[in-house]
Amino acid sequence: AQKVTQAQTEISVVEKEDVTLDCVYETRDTTYYLFWYKQPPSGELVFLIRRNSFDEQNEISGRYSWNFQKSTSSFNFTITASQVVDSAVYFCALSRINTGGFKTIFGAGTRLFVKA
Amino acid sequence: DTEVTQTPKHLVMGMTNKKSLKCEQHMGHRAMYWYKQKAKKPPELMFVYSYEKLSINESVPSRFSPECPNSSLLNLHLHALQPEDSALYLCASSSGTGVGGYTFGSGTRLTVV
Repeated sequence: AQKVTQAQTEISVVEKEDVTLDCVYETRDTTYYLFWYKQPPSGELVFLIRRNSFDEQNEISGRYSWNFQKSTSSFNFTITASQVVDSAVYFCALSRINTGGFKTIFGAGTRLFVKA
Repeated sequence: DTEVTQTPKHLVMGMTNKKSLKCEQHMGHRAMYWYKQKAKKPPELMFVYSYEKLSINESVPSRFSPECPNSSLLNLHLHALQPEDSALYLCASSSGTGVGGYTFGSGTRLTVV
């Protein structure tokens, strides 16, 4: 069975603080893909990053960074020097190639509040 | 053009109405998806179309009927819905494999009265 756990339901920080969003996943597949999406109040889910199961290299994109560790089945997301515009719900997702297509399941999401 | 367009943005319908949600993309993506998202919950997969053929139906009730007229369009026909079907309906598209991630539309917020 596949599962994505985002244990943090809500996080509140003050602008310029660093914040880490946790994601733990379960899968028996050897080939899988991990994603982070951002959902601002407007509702649209915005793709942030993808990692495949064979690429454990961490990545940095501006103020965003991701730490993928297969040994702990975690794919954590850090925002450095947070800004008010970072306020949103962030979803971690796990995908696999399934019979019939590409299936993605989402974690429950972490709601991030960044206060000015 | 790197977006998925969904219409209408808001829809209120009675339980005896028939309505349709529309989704359009012009990115050349060959996979399209319908997701349902209840308030404060993650999106849940409903249907997957791959190369214009229905490839995954996540045991969705027949009052939801998807249609893919061509590679750019995806419809969701609604009939005899229940109030508990009120939700945000999200359309997404991806390359055929989907491994590059999805591009989502901004959704249709549906209220069934």
